[in-house]
Amino acid sequence: NAGVTQTPKFQVLKTGQSMTLQCAQDMNHNSMYWYRQDPGMGLRLIYYSASEGTTDKGEVPNGYNVSRLNKREFSLRLESAAPSQTSVYFCASSEPTDGYTFGSGTRLTVV
Amino acid sequence: GEDVEQSLFLSVREGDSSVINCTYTDSSSTYLYWYKQEPGAGLQLLTYIFSNMDMKQDQRLTVLLNKKDKHLSLRIADTQTGDSAIYFCAESFTGGGNKLTFGTGTQLKVEL
Repeated sequence: NAGVTQTPKFQVLKTGQSMTLQCAQDMNHNSMYWYRQDPGMGLRLIYYSASEGTTDKGEVPNGYNVSRLNKREFSLRLESAAPSQTSVYFCASSEPTDGYTFGSGTRLTVV
Repeated sequence: GEDVEQSLFLSVREGDSSVINCTYTDSSSTYLYWYKQEPGAGLQLLTYIFSNMDMKQDQRLTVLLNKKDKHLSLRIADTQTGDSAIYFCAESFTGGGNKLTFGTGTQLKVEL
């Protein structure tokens, strides 16, 4: 099925641990995004990649890094996880005429 | 930065119409979107409207855009229990990777 695939779906980390959230899309979209969702705050943009080979900071980039590995894949890395990074993370891809397609989310808890 | 505001909660009876409102601050937005999020799931695009349109209708959904007041609304006719979800409005801008700015979301509860 066409869409955006995120892995893992759930993760528990200890403070200071690192991990990479994976995202892949098969719709040949140029742009990809990482958002975090917290109660009462909607979705906030962490990083985005307007096209293969480019990445830019969003609204809340601190504590995260990203890699646009190729046109399909866009990963999000937490180098040293903190409890404030407990959230639900969504990857999305888009073309201007198609709107956004979202993955099903990764629920991350940092203890 | 740009702000997109929504009320947090809306409760309606099954069969009634629901109206979810959104205000935004940036008049340079190009597209405005409505997304639906069911529990434990990602966001699903419901509909969108180009910024030079006033209204768009798609089956039970009607989107109204008032550019002068920077006000967007989503009307759901004959609301069903399956419409219970969080609804997000979002705006996008030309250039800069087609980024979206989301509202805080409105939790719609449909009661029998």
